[in-house]
Amino acid sequence: QQQVKQSPQSLIVQKGGISIINCAYENTAFDYFPWYQQFPGKGPALLIAIRPDVSEKKEGRFTISFNKSAKQFSLHIMDSQPGDSATYFCAAGGSDSGGYQKVTFGTGTKLQVIP
Amino acid sequence: NAGVMQNPRHLVRRRGQEARLRCSPVKGHSHVYWYRQLPEEGLKFMVYLQKENIIDESGMPKERFSAEFPKEGPSILRIQQVVRGDSAAYFCASSPNQANEQFFGPGTRLTVL
Repeated sequence: QQQVKQSPQSLIVQKGGISIINCAYENTAFDYFPWYQQFPGKGPALLIAIRPDVSEKKEGRFTISFNKSAKQFSLHIMDSQPGDSATYFCAAGGSDSGGYQKVTFGTGTKLQVIP
Repeated sequence: NAGVMQNPRHLVRRRGQEARLRCSPVKGHSHVYWYRQLPEEGLKFMVYLQKENIIDESGMPKERFSAEFPKEGPSILRIQQVVRGDSAAYFCASSPNQANEQFFGPGTRLTVL
């Protein structure tokens, strides 16, 4: 079964600090790695995504680092703010044996940024 | 520009009743996905549909659960004879094609008494 392993389960960071969430995948056919942000009572929203042809992608305070050989990718949130407090899900997508794109989600990291 | 809409947002059912969850995808999106999320857990894939077709239902329980996405109207996730273990948040997502980006709705929170 395709899996995406995410850690840590929860994270507390001081305001202004760096939040780091890690994910590892098994299936080398994955070619799309998005991160979703979910606030309580809301649906997940796409935050940033990367393809394996680059090792890093940055959008504002959010950076994805991708290590293809290790089959790992991570989300870095620079200058973390209380408004970043949410649950973050990594995911991995790719064509399955049926030929269609399927996305598998990690188990989520609950981030709390304290003032 | 309406995003993915789901209704109802909250649904309470007694054991044995039926639950119908509706999802209207982003206008122009023909691909719909349903996920289930238990408290403090991640998103579990249930089913992937295109207009009038079920593409992958590998994540859906074999009994009591069914899904459809008719030519006209919203996608429906139907749970018959609900049990307490069905209590969860059910999210629908849509995409314009087989591209990976999925746009999520706000979810339906089902509570089974």
